[in-house]
Amino acid sequence: EIVMTQTPLSLSVTPGEPASISCRSSQSLLDTDDGDTFLDWYLQKPGLSPQLLIYSLSHRASGVPDRFSGSGSGTDFTLKISRVEAEDVGVYYCMQRIDFPWTFGPGTRVDIK
Amino acid sequence: EVQLLESGGGLVQPGGSLRLSCAASGFTFGNFAMTWVRQAPGKGLEWVSLIVGSGSSSYYADSVKGRFTVSRDNSKNTLFLQVNGLTDEDAAVYYCAKTRPETLAFEVWGPGTLVAVSS
Repeated sequence: EIVMTQTPLSLSVTPGEPASISCRSSQSLLDTDDGDTFLDWYLQKPGLSPQLLIYSLSHRASGVPDRFSGSGSGTDFTLKISRVEAEDVGVYYCMQRIDFPWTFGPGTRVDIK
Repeated sequence: EVQLLESGGGLVQPGGSLRLSCAASGFTFGNFAMTWVRQAPGKGLEWVSLIVGSGSSSYYADSVKGRFTVSRDNSKNTLFLQVNGLTDEDAAVYYCAKTRPETLAFEVWGPGTLVAVSS
């Protein structure tokens, strides 16, 4: 099973400031056949179901603001928020889907200072 | 508009069984793989199972393999999860989600259904 880790586990951010979350996998998430990286990011806002933010490393899901971006390669990945807004609070999860069983990271809780 | 609505959760005794359902609307159900994800109270997300659009293949987390069975009825736009041999560790909100075409990322989620396990 691929183990996903995230740092930090919690983050307090001033509105308008940038934020960054790191995610690491125990094995490469790069599919060498087609060049895709099977790493997604989800946000679970308080009291709500999770929502897809970024899929396949760097592709924003429909309706996701462009202040969110995903990057990385191999086993090290980053979610960046260029300017945090109050509505961005919640828990952020990375997830790998290159090998079954698919696995999530432990989550990073983001709140506003 | 794509909508998913889970049902079938409830309180069950250890060792008991439930059948969870996920009613889908707003898209051609049989064309998309569907997945189940669960979240224990106060904990993170755990992927549970995936079934391809035709229903011909399914995949499971190690923690549920042999006890849970995913299925679908494409004529009724409904996804199922049969959960057997429930333990305290299975108590969670169970979410169904529709996957994106080709990438299989979870692009639409339902509100979830709560499974509680207690004697």
